[in-house]
Amino acid sequence: DQQVKQNSPSLSVQEGRISILNCDYTNSMFDYFLWYKKYPAEGPTFLISISSIKDKNEDGRFTVFLNKSAKHLSLHIVPSQPGDSAVYFCAASAGSNDYKLSFGAGTTVTVRA
Amino acid sequence: NAGVTQTPKFQVLKTGQSMTLQCAQDMNHEYMSWYRQDPGMGLRLIHYSVGAGITDQGEVPNGYNVSRSTTEDFPLRLLSAAPSQTSVYFCASSSGTQRSELFFGSGTQLSVL
Repeated sequence: DQQVKQNSPSLSVQEGRISILNCDYTNSMFDYFLWYKKYPAEGPTFLISISSIKDKNEDGRFTVFLNKSAKHLSLHIVPSQPGDSAVYFCAASAGSNDYKLSFGAGTTVTVRA
Repeated sequence: NAGVTQTPKFQVLKTGQSMTLQCAQDMNHEYMSWYRQDPGMGLRLIHYSVGAGITDQGEVPNGYNVSRSTTEDFPLRLLSAAPSQTSVYFCASSSGTQRSELFFGSGTQLSVL
């Protein structure tokens, strides 16, 4: 049973607008959350992370929000650029085992010119 | 700057054949792992290693063997391939320190006929 869920398989957004990707988790032991980005024929690459002691982390155009009570996190990309077209995976880990990640199924983002 | 190197990139096997997927990293990382990516399932952890001589099972270990004789290498063995093992396989490594990032290889696309 998947403990990290990304319920939107795809998202299409116009260049310059905001992309919002959502992720839900069920395991209350998760305390570290990450987003990975993947281009075709490449491996995933780390994008941004957030610890459970925070509710927001920002890095340039990327911001991750965490709502622990709802077991929900989101990734905002502002403004969206054509190079952001990729698959985005939400991932989570628990305690000191933060190298063992549980991944969501991914959301494919397409940025339209 | 090689990072994590996986070979081969593509492989076609017949049911019952055996093969080894190779993974090497040059970052002196203690932690290495294997994931498989399937449509709608995200990445699932197969096996992992926290150092040379130490391996453990992940979420989906059946049908796969691993060993870790050196820090650099972490091969994944399929002893008797099955169609259910058709997938994209990713090797990853991490320094293993808390909140450290996972670095992924570019993947091996495996088809079992």
